[in-house]
Amino acid sequence: GIQVEQSPPDLILQEGANSTLRCNFSDSVNNLQWFHQNPWGQLINLFYIPSGTKQNGRLSATTVATERYSLLYISSSQTTDSGVYFCAVHGSGNTGKLIFGQGTTLQVKP
Amino acid sequence: GAGVSQSPSNKVTEKGKDVELRCDPISGHTALYWYRQSLGQGLEFLIYFQGNSAPDKSGLPSDRFSAERTGGSVSTLTIQRTQQEDSAVYLCASTPRGREWETQYFGPGTRLLVL
Repeated sequence: GIQVEQSPPDLILQEGANSTLRCNFSDSVNNLQWFHQNPWGQLINLFYIPSGTKQNGRLSATTVATERYSLLYISSSQTTDSGVYFCAVHGSGNTGKLIFGQGTTLQVKP
Repeated sequence: GAGVSQSPSNKVTEKGKDVELRCDPISGHTALYWYRQSLGQGLEFLIYFQGNSAPDKSGLPSDRFSAERTGGSVSTLTIQRTQQEDSAVYLCASTPRGREWETQYFGPGTRLLVL
């Protein structure tokens, strides 16, 4: 099956710093999503980005499908950005079930 | 509008007991998913329902796990004869028909602890 690897596993930033999170996947995928899980456990979809670049405020994401990776950029980080960031791709079949990476745990210090 | 809701929020049970976890998807969403999040295994797909189609049960870890979706809305995940390794957060998600590839809306989860 498809393997999804994220790096780094952990990241500590000072408020205001920028960061880049990476997601590598082992096979061609048509669909990739980025999620943020806040410290209370709620998972929120950030981006649906099968290819190209999207931006939403201080966050942006780029997927290069031909090279099997995606990047999530966080600029001017805030303490509320803390949590775990997951990338996920769709598994085989036509069900939309997601295969998640292990996540990057981000802590933003004030 | 209301998001995906799950109950109970927390459940503590004894090994060998059965538990039922409930998920109320967003109104009108036809697709419903169950996932499990545990320390050792990360986030794992369990089961998928889409309308009246046969569910995709390929992620259920054993025959102790089963799920139903009544009337195309509420879903119940049942774990029989619970084991300590079943301790995890069980997450439910839903999606409108035709948007399964774009996003999934997750509930807050049920934290299950098996003693």
